[in-house]
Amino acid sequence: AQKITQTQPGMFVQEKEAVTLDCTYDTSDQSYGLFWYKQPSSGEMIFLIYQGSYDEQNATEGRYSLNFQKARKSANLVISASQLGDSAMYFCAMREGRTGGGADGLTFGKGTHLIIQP
Amino acid sequence: EAGVAQSPRYKIIEKRQSVAFWCNPISGHATLYWYQQILGQGPKLLIQFQNNGVVDDSQLPKDRFSAERLKGVDSTLKIQPAKLEDSAVYLCACKRGVSYEQYFGPGTRLTVT
Repeated sequence: AQKITQTQPGMFVQEKEAVTLDCTYDTSDQSYGLFWYKQPSSGEMIFLIYQGSYDEQNATEGRYSLNFQKARKSANLVISASQLGDSAMYFCAMREGRTGGGADGLTFGKGTHLIIQP
Repeated sequence: EAGVAQSPRYKIIEKRQSVAFWCNPISGHATLYWYQQILGQGPKLLIQFQNNGVVDDSQLPKDRFSAERLKGVDSTLKIQPAKLEDSAVYLCACKRGVSYEQYFGPGTRLTVT
């Protein structure tokens, strides 16, 4: 089974609108972390936001927020007031187990290609 | 602080040839990762180092891929012999201590013809 599922291969959104990128995950670990990364056409992976499995509040970083629904195993990224520069690939990723507790590499989804239209 | 450095940025080789990629992580970041990103997919972890020791290499195709991290700083990933399906971007990432954030380098784009 896929550990990270991103069901939206591509999305077109009007500039200044809010956008939600979907991510569901599958793990039997109690301790895990969820990440969102942005990958522009230049190729670098840019960290956006992190949510720990024990964090009670949804993470926020500027225009980015993570809608964490633990029972549904979903970790959707919300971008408020989208900008043209937000056009990129967006990847959801998961770290199983505790960070620093040994093997803590990330498992990534297939990504969503977001295009912001003027 | 300087970011993660990788070289070369691009490499084209023929199948059955060998190739090596180099990564210099951020100073003080003890954990280093190599990921493979095939076109149209998310990155896939190949190997994780903690200082100069291997923590996880369960997804490394050990018949053709090898990696080392001498002195716990720079790392080299080698493919020998390369296959067509090895065409991908190879990303190096690092992190400090028990921090959760991984910092990625610009990647090396490998094309095998």
